[in-house]
Amino acid sequence: GQQLNQSPQSMFIQEGEDVSMNCTSSSIFNTWLWYKQDPGEGPVLLIALYKAGELTSNGRLTAQFGITRKDSFLNISASIPSDVGIYFCAGRGGGSNYKLTFGKGTLLTVNP
Amino acid sequence: NAGVTQTPKFQVLKTGQSMTLQCAQDMNHNSMYWYRQDPGMGLRLIYYSASEGTTDKGEVPNGYNVSRLNKREFSLRLESAAPSQTSVYFCASSGTGDYGYTFGSGTRLTVV
Repeated sequence: GQQLNQSPQSMFIQEGEDVSMNCTSSSIFNTWLWYKQDPGEGPVLLIALYKAGELTSNGRLTAQFGITRKDSFLNISASIPSDVGIYFCAGRGGGSNYKLTFGKGTLLTVNP
Repeated sequence: NAGVTQTPKFQVLKTGQSMTLQCAQDMNHNSMYWYRQDPGMGLRLIYYSASEGTTDKGEVPNGYNVSRLNKREFSLRLESAAPSQTSVYFCASSGTGDYGYTFGSGTRLTVV
């Protein structure tokens, strides 16, 4: 089946720093999504990308749908303590395949 | 508030006991999903239901059964709990043409 490689597995940064994480796939996806999971909660959708090359922002978050359709990147600028959590990428193939494939997540810790 | 509701939030079982995890959504979504989350393993799909009346196995279905009771409700049953089923369980739903999933807040299950 499809697999997503998400990196890094974890990051420990200082407040105010920028953060980058990415996901790569062995197969093409038509949709890329990024979720954040706060401690003790379920994942919440941050950004959805629907077209190769698309660059989308949501506040301090920016995500890109790679040109090859096999990768995606998430950047967080000027991190703050509430950015702490697990960030998941997810991808969906085409056709009737509506199921998402999830990466294993990036655990972000922000030191105030 | 609209969304996905999971019950219970916490549960401790003895090995061999059975229980049902409940999930309900009020967004008129067609598809529903059950995931388990373990440290370092990300989100793994247990079962899903593309629409009312259908269910299919996901990546890790062994030891579980599901019932799509109606469009709103999708339950997960452990017939004979094992310590390996200690995990956090998430229910999610998605609508037609809606590429994102909405997750519940999870059930933390411990099997001793």
